[in-house]
Amino acid sequence: ETGVTQTPRHLVMGMTNKKSLKCEQHLGHNAMYWYKQSAKKPLELMFVYNFKEQTENNSVPSRFSPECPNSSHLFLHLHTLQPEDSALYLCASSQDWAGGGGQYFGPGTRLTVT
Amino acid sequence: GNSVTQMEGPVTLSEEAFLTINCTYTATGYPSLFWYVQYPGEGLQLLLKATKADDKGSNKGFEATYRKETTSFHLEKGSVQVSDSAVYFCALSDRGAQKLVFGQGTRLTINP
Repeated sequence: ETGVTQTPRHLVMGMTNKKSLKCEQHLGHNAMYWYKQSAKKPLELMFVYNFKEQTENNSVPSRFSPECPNSSHLFLHLHTLQPEDSALYLCASSQDWAGGGGQYFGPGTRLTVT
Repeated sequence: GNSVTQMEGPVTLSEEAFLTINCTYTATGYPSLFWYVQYPGEGLQLLLKATKADDKGSNKGFEATYRKETTSFHLEKGSVQVSDSAVYFCALSDRGAQKLVFGQGTRLTINP
């Protein structure tokens, strides 16, 4: 498999549930990212990981908990979410800096919180 | 701070029309510039990029030229197809910085 994959593609969860989103990149990159894309709002960067270390947390509520066990895998653990957290969650990867090569995105997980 | 401004959408064109989507940027350094495309139900795909002034990025018939004097990176295509219908995002990244700064996106619809 090539590129960046995300599972599941669609997720419906209640506000009291706990679920996890998974991202895997097959590009040999060292940096991984979580973004949130809501309707009619700009793309929001949530977290950045470099060589498994978190280097950016963009004031994300603690009900979102990222985990990066290695440079190829990234998880987003979800608990006690709110309806306004419904969005498309995109994972991306890049070499250790995005200046020249750009970031490569997965297809996203469409999350609906009921 | 760095920012990207795209033309307001939505944009609707007929097949084979000429396309321009304007993008201007504000940056303190010498950024790299990107166009991403998002087809319905999918994530963002890197369409093209340019890393220094006067560079032209091109892919799938789309082109954009890095204009430092006008701080612009307008996306163009000579003859659009129905399959080009998507949302297009302009973005920049400062050298040595990891964050991509995105524009708000422009929705393009091509009618047959």
